[in-house]
Parts: sequence; C-alpha cells; structure tokens
Amino acid sequence: LAKTTQPISMDSYEGQEVNITCSHNNIATNDYITWYQQFPSQGPRFIIQGYKTKVTNEVASLFIPADRKSSTLSLPRVSLSDTAVYYCLVGDMNSGYSTLTFGKGTMLLVSP
Amino acid sequence: ETGVTQSPTHLIKTRGQQVTLRCSSQSGHNTVSWYQQALGQGPQFIFQYYREEENGRGNFPPRFSGLQFPNYSSELNVNALELDDSALYLCASSMGGASSYNEQFFGPGTRLTVL
Repeated sequence: LAKTTQPISMDSYEGQEVNITCSHNNIATNDYITWYQQFPSQGPRFIIQGYKTKVTNEVASLFIPADRKSSTLSLPRVSLSDTAVYYCLVGDMNSGYSTLTFGKGTMLLVSP
Repeated sequence: ETGVTQSPTHLIKTRGQQVTLRCSSQSGHNTVSWYQQALGQGPQFIFQYYREEENGRGNFPPRFSGLQFPNYSSELNVNALELDDSALYLCASSMGGASSYNEQFFGPGTRLTVL
C-alpha cells in the first residue's frame, strides 16, 4: 500500500484559499487518490477523487502532477465551517475489497 | 434517501464483555465496511462485507467479527473486550461491489468505552 504524508495541521483565515499537499512517493499504476473530510464526532465525508491532472467539483479542486507522487487539495475561500481534519488516501481501484487506509490527516483550523 | 445510521450512539462496557454494534446502510448500497478510530488517529479498516460475505479484512484479531444481512444492514461483534478497544466505530456503505474506487458513505459512529 502506498504510504501518504501530509502536514499535521494548517491554519487559515476566512475567505482565503487553502492548499493541502499530500505526498505519496510509491503510488502504483492502479492507485487513485481520494480526499475525505471529518468533523469531530462524525464519520468522514468524501470530498474529491482523481487519478491524474486536475479534478474539480462544487467544493474543491484536486491537482495531481504528471509523476503522481503528490497531490494538492485546494479549498477556495474557506469559511469557519471548513475547520476539520482532511485525509488523503491512496487506493487500488482493482482491489477486491476496500483498501482505504487513513493516516492521521491534516487538522485545518479556519479563524475569523 | 436515508443515509447510513448506526446504533447505539454511545456504549460503556467492561473488560471481557462482548458487544454488538449495528449499522443500516444507505438505500441501494450493497457493501458495508467497518472502521475503528482511536482518539487522535485516522480510521483503521476492520473488514468489509459484500452481499453478505466478508471479502476483506484489516489487521484485527478474530474476536472482531461481523455479519451482513439480506437487507445489507450489518453488525460488528467484539468479544473479550480490552481497554484498547475503546474507540469510535464507524460503518460505511457503498454501491457497486467491492472496489475501493466507490465512494464510501460513513455513518456518525458508535462511541465505545471499555472500563
């Protein structure tokens, strides 16, 4: 399983763009990258998923360079409610079962 | 559409006891995964059920077992509870089979405290 490394914590202010980078140096050909968000005492929530280049949805963008050894989750104009833990996961899309492996995640604190 | 629900919300047990946690998957989902989340850590995969069969397991001992029912709801059973079993237990459902490519929808979790 590809190991992921991401910052333990990040601080931001309301209205700013936040970029959280995840390193996954030994990502395999069949692996894809997924980001989840988790609020205290709640289950994680899927944010975005991608394989290469750029993916955008209504809440975030995911940038993946050509070598796929890292990825960056971009949150535009964060608000206080974006304060949460963000997990970067790498999973084998051809696996016979779920191989979602969560690390410790990045604790994002958004201040007024 | 009903989301993933779990019961009970909180539970307190003593060492050596047994516990059963329950999960109702999101409507239309046929795959359920269970995770254990200790304080300050990310969720750790316990096992997954697809169409009533266990089709994947993480690094957890056999005293962690489960079931999936024909309506795709699921149970997690833990025997001989240990203090380290204190954690938030999360259930996640997904659709379309056992591939981890499918988005997983998590429930709110059951907070288990072992004294």
